[in-house]
Amino acid sequence: KQEVTQIPAALSVPEGENLVLNCSFTDSAIYNLQWFRQDPGKGLTSLLLIQSSQREQTSGRLNASLDKSSGRSTLYIAASQPGDSATYLCAVPGGATNKLIFGTGTLLAVQP
Amino acid sequence: EPEVTQTPSHQVTQMGQEVILRCVPISNHLYFYWYRQILGQKVEFLVSFYNNEISEKSEIFDDQFSVERPDGSNFTLKIRSTKLEDSAMYFCASSPDRGTAYGYTFGSGTRLTVV
Repeated sequence: KQEVTQIPAALSVPEGENLVLNCSFTDSAIYNLQWFRQDPGKGLTSLLLIQSSQREQTSGRLNASLDKSSGRSTLYIAASQPGDSATYLCAVPGGATNKLIFGTGTLLAVQP
Repeated sequence: EPEVTQTPSHQVTQMGQEVILRCVPISNHLYFYWYRQILGQKVEFLVSFYNNEISEKSEIFDDQFSVERPDGSNFTLKIRSTKLEDSAMYFCASSPDRGTAYGYTFGSGTRLTVV
């Protein structure tokens, strides 16, 4: 059964720092991995989708990497800003209908 | 950019009442999903829907839940007799290809409060 874990659970950094969020999964037979952002009480905004054949995917200041064999993905945020403060979730598809299996998320606070 | 639209954004209901949560998926998507997130917990899968029938459902999705695509555009989740523990954020998601190449697009959610 696929399980997804994210560490750290919470992270507080000063503005301008580069940071890394970690996601691990137990079953490496995945099509892809998707990173989402969730603001408090709000919906899920897709940030990056990285396919199993890719090692990296970039969007602006965000870079996601994927190492299928070790069951790990990282989300790198460069030059963090207070507006980056949110919960970041990773998810992988699994089961008969590729439903998404989510991690518990990392709550990021960027201090001005 | 195409969006998944969910209504209402917030619903308060009394225990035992029926509620219907509504979603309009992206028009060319074929696969539809409902998830829920109890406050402070993980996002959990409820049900997937394709070709007008349920493809997969979780243990959470018991007889009090049902889904329907009544008119080719709306996708609804009905909770027949709400319980306090149904209080959660409910998310609708859709995909053109079961998430293999294009991933999933989520709606902004409906916060259901059962009192």
